[in-house]
Amino acid sequence: EAQVTQNPRYLITVTGKKLTVTCSQNMNHEYMSWYRQDPGLGLRQIYYSMNVEVTDKGDVPEGYKVSRKEKRNFPLILESPSPNQTSLYFCASSAGATTNEKLFFGSGTQLSVL
Amino acid sequence: GESVGLHLPTLSVQEGDNSIINCAYSNSASDYFIWYKQESGKGPQFIIDIRSNMDKRQGQRVTVLLNKTVKHLSLQIAATQPGDSAVYFCAENMVPSGGSNYKLTFGKGTLLTVNP
Repeated sequence: EAQVTQNPRYLITVTGKKLTVTCSQNMNHEYMSWYRQDPGLGLRQIYYSMNVEVTDKGDVPEGYKVSRKEKRNFPLILESPSPNQTSLYFCASSAGATTNEKLFFGSGTQLSVL
Repeated sequence: GESVGLHLPTLSVQEGDNSIINCAYSNSASDYFIWYKQESGKGPQFIIDIRSNMDKRQGQRVTVLLNKTVKHLSLQIAATQPGDSAVYFCAENMVPSGGSNYKLTFGKGTLLTVNP
């Protein structure tokens, strides 16, 4: 089944403790992206990747890092989480990096930073 | 920057009625639009898309209408069912020159509630 898989589904952590949210897609998609979803603000892009070893900042990249060493994986790293990073996070992928293609989303990771 | 907005934040309909969810977009250069459905506790799910060279596209029980003159997008759901209850997002995209970042800009969403 074609899908985008994120882990963990839920995560509670404390300020300053490094964490990684994993994302994997099995559709051989070139494009991958991370979004955060907050009440009243909708979906905002954090980082994106056009292909392996190609990543760039989205609209709200501060406090986040990503890597794209393999085509299928695109982990989101919070080196020193803070409470304002408490949010619902979605990974997404698309076949096209420079053409209009629909984005497929993962099921989300609910992160709480205490 | 330009943004995508929604006319109605909530919509309540009776089961079996038709639903219409509206969306206004402000970027006249946008050339691709998508509707997503997000159920509680799940990620956004693709419903239907339309490119700017079209003004109507139909799927199974859903129709998207695009009016470029007034920069308006709508999603019509026929014979709405309780399973259609969800938040619906419109999203727009414009591939910038040079081919950098394919990025969808999302609206805030409309909550559709279907009453049995």
